[in-house]
Amino acid sequence: KAGVTQTPRYLIKTRGQQVTLSCSPISGHRSVSWYQQTPGQGLQFLFEYFSETQRNKGNFPGRFSGRQFSNSRSEMNVSTLELGDSALYLCASSLDSGRASEQYFGPGTRLTVT
Amino acid sequence: GDSVTQMEGPVTLSEEAFLTINCTYTATGYPSLFWYVQYPGEGLQLLLKATKADDKGSNKGFEATYRKETTSFHLEKGSVQVSDSAVYFCALTDSSGGYQKVTFGTGTKLQVIP
Repeated sequence: KAGVTQTPRYLIKTRGQQVTLSCSPISGHRSVSWYQQTPGQGLQFLFEYFSETQRNKGNFPGRFSGRQFSNSRSEMNVSTLELGDSALYLCASSLDSGRASEQYFGPGTRLTVT
Repeated sequence: GDSVTQMEGPVTLSEEAFLTINCTYTATGYPSLFWYVQYPGEGLQLLLKATKADDKGSNKGFEATYRKETTSFHLEKGSVQVSDSAVYFCALTDSSGGYQKVTFGTGTKLQVIP
């Protein structure tokens, strides 16, 4: 079974631009979560989608948004990029959203904002 | 809210040494507990999990026991190898709000030297 894929793997953008990241979960997984990973803040939860509905949201500004499609693929958008948005963005999928669900992570998208 | 506290790293050990990485948690509900591992340049991988008190998760020689009385989930391995060098994350999943909410610790970097 194919794992979680994320595209693109690397991205360089300029301050003020916007960016869209894509995540394809493992086949059959309905829950997709997004995380931002930085050396200073560690892993921070952005949001979780389950069956096209945002179920949970972390403490990030409205510039960060996402969506999930009917095939469970998910996109994350960041508008008006700031230097501090430079990070590794990780997507994780799970079969459902129960307390025992294991998350399967993609390799991440490395975003650099200049 | 929920939180996970891990011991500060980096931890440097010689090959075949005994490993302990401490993890304690606070949670409003009855969480499941996980250890994830991140190798350089990769996303996170599930290492082991435990879903109820006194459960022991184990994988690849690593073990951790869910201790509800001390709210802990310490990771142990009897004999580490150079290939175990990675960052280890303790995490909990709580669905007391009706949906999955995952909280990660800050990660502990392990370096094993030959």
